[in-house]
Amino acid sequence: AAGVIQSPRHLIKEKRETATLKCYPIPRHDTVYWYQQGPGQDPQFLISFYEKMQSDKGSIPDRFSAQQFSDYHSELNMSSLELGDSALYFCASSQWGGDNSPLHFGNGTRLTVT
Amino acid sequence: AQTVTQSQPEMSVQEAETVTLSCTYDTSESDYYLFWYKQPPSRQMILVIRQEAYKQQNATENRFSVNFQKAAKSFSLKISDSQLGDAAMYFCAYSSSGGAGGTSYGKLTFGQGTILTVHP
Repeated sequence: AAGVIQSPRHLIKEKRETATLKCYPIPRHDTVYWYQQGPGQDPQFLISFYEKMQSDKGSIPDRFSAQQFSDYHSELNMSSLELGDSALYFCASSQWGGDNSPLHFGNGTRLTVT
Repeated sequence: AQTVTQSQPEMSVQEAETVTLSCTYDTSESDYYLFWYKQPPSRQMILVIRQEAYKQQNATENRFSVNFQKAAKSFSLKISDSQLGDAAMYFCAYSSSGGAGGTSYGKLTFGQGTILTVHP
């Protein structure tokens, strides 16, 4: 079965650079969630989208922005990168009426800022 | 705001034995979901088990079962017949129901995690 695809798997950037992380949800999933997991930390919710509209916002820095496109894939754009942005970034997807639909996580993108 | 607390940073168990991981949470909502996720060294987040708050019956998935005490706001995970492949970080997580299209469902609040070691 198709899973949530995240690209790239690994990304190395320097301070003050920009990064774009991509997430391709499971087919027919219309809701996407982004999480950030710092080293030794639990995942923190960043932002979510439903039918291409932002549905909820968590602890996402103003330097970050995200959107969901017409094909339901999502991109997380990160600017003016800081050392503290080094983390594992997860994307997850679910289907509308998701109370009964499991949340599927991708394998994550590991971002290293040097 | 909801909070999730896992008071056991590390736990260990012998292969084939049983272990229980603890989780408590705080919420003012009456309808919500609770989850246990497993994160092995590969870092993938794998759903172990899910409990809907309005269901009094404890969820069970093969060797994994929960003890859900709604009044006490407690949600523990019991792993029976532990296997070496069960070794991982385990996160307890909470989500509300509702939101546009039920989107609150995927907005998870995680606990700090419990590292489970399984000894052969």
